[in-house]
Amino acid sequence: GAGVSQSPRYKVAKRGQDVALRCDPISGHVSLFWYQQALGQGPEFLTYFQNEAQLDKSGLPSDRFFAERPEGSVSTLKIQRTQQEDSAVYLCASSLVPVRDTTNSPLHFGNGTRLTVT
Amino acid sequence: AQSVAQPEDQVNVAEGNPLTVKCTYSVSGNPYLFWYVQYPNRGLQFLLKYITGDNLVKGSYGFEAEFNKSQTSFHLKKPSALVSDSALYFCAVREKGGGADGLTFGKGTHLIIQP
Repeated sequence: GAGVSQSPRYKVAKRGQDVALRCDPISGHVSLFWYQQALGQGPEFLTYFQNEAQLDKSGLPSDRFFAERPEGSVSTLKIQRTQQEDSAVYLCASSLVPVRDTTNSPLHFGNGTRLTVT
Repeated sequence: AQSVAQPEDQVNVAEGNPLTVKCTYSVSGNPYLFWYVQYPNRGLQFLLKYITGDNLVKGSYGFEAEFNKSQTSFHLKKPSALVSDSALYFCAVREKGGGADGLTFGKGTHLIIQP
């Protein structure tokens, strides 16, 4: 596929469970981002990878959130001990060049994973 | 800190009429500005960006946006609306040379084009 792929599409978790969300970026894309989109809101930045390096994790809301991209391609966002406030759509996006490149290559978004914590 | 305001939750326009979706931003220095569109249950799609140069930027599907530095605005426009333009539109900003790696998005504006 040519686009960013995210799985699962929907995830229901009971409060306290751990979840793992997967992102397959476009092949060859250097930059990978995770965003959280609450209902009726715009996406909010969580974390940024340049290849395998996590250069910015300033948006992660708590130490229950962890992201990795060990080989510089697929990324996983893990949420431990889920809480109801974690319910949101989690969007992954990739772009061709590093974020500080002045061309500002557009972000290509996946369709997201809708997480519902009950 | 960087922020974006989209003052209208919803904009209604008749098909064939011009449309404007408003966006204002706040950054400490100079901005990179973006518009994205989101269809139901889908991710965001890039429409256009302002990096430098001409204040009027043209993008996908006939959309354009005008960067106005004095008013710190980047309104999205289209001369003639189509029903298929109905979607959720997001404005986003990142400060040039700033510390943030992520874009800051507005809350979004629902654009409804009536036949």
